[in-house]
Amino acid sequence: DIVMTQTPLSLSVTPGQPASISCKSSQSLLDSDGKTSLYWYLQKPGQPPQLLIYEVSNRFSGVPDRFSGSGSGTDFTLKISRVEAEDVGVYYCMQAIHLPLTFGGGTKVEIK
Amino acid sequence: EVQLVESGGGLVKPGRSLRLSCTASGFIFGDYAMSWFRQAPGKGLEWVGFIRSKAYGETRDYAASVKGRFTISRDDSKNIAYLQMNSLKTEDTAVFYCNVYHYGMDVWGQGTTVTVSS
Repeated sequence: DIVMTQTPLSLSVTPGQPASISCKSSQSLLDSDGKTSLYWYLQKPGQPPQLLIYEVSNRFSGVPDRFSGSGSGTDFTLKISRVEAEDVGVYYCMQAIHLPLTFGGGTKVEIK
Repeated sequence: EVQLVESGGGLVKPGRSLRLSCTASGFIFGDYAMSWFRQAPGKGLEWVGFIRSKAYGETRDYAASVKGRFTISRDDSKNIAYLQMNSLKTEDTAVFYCNVYHYGMDVWGQGTTVTVSS
């Protein structure tokens, strides 16, 4: 199974400041079709996950442009340019190149 | 509006069975693979398995932790996906979510809680 490792475990961010989350995979997520199957989700308290970023860097419909994803191969990053109060929750990366689909352990973001 | 609604959760004793349902609306259900995920109390997300669409033979894949005990099925005439869970263990206690994903669409239900306890 592909192991997804997220850091840090938690972040406390002042509103308006940036935040960055790292995700590393134990194998390359680059598929033979040239796409990289790395996704970012946010799970707000008491809610199901919601997709933020697909295939490393593509913002999903309705996701604010303060969210951006980058990376390649086995190293990926989610950045929030200016954290807002509504961004609190747990962020997960997920790989979908190989079964079983696997998630990182999550990064809890809170507001200072 | 695209929507998924899970049902069927509850309290069940170890070794017993439970069937969850995921009722879909707002999209052509039969065209999409349907997935199940779960989240144990205070823990992260775990993929359970999925069933492909009829066009892909309705084939299924499962996580190792549930393979042989859980079965995913679908009834395209009713727009429902099922998760049949047999030989339940205490470690299966979780909120179970169904999900449909395709480019431009990623929908999750609100989840249904399964508690396995004697």
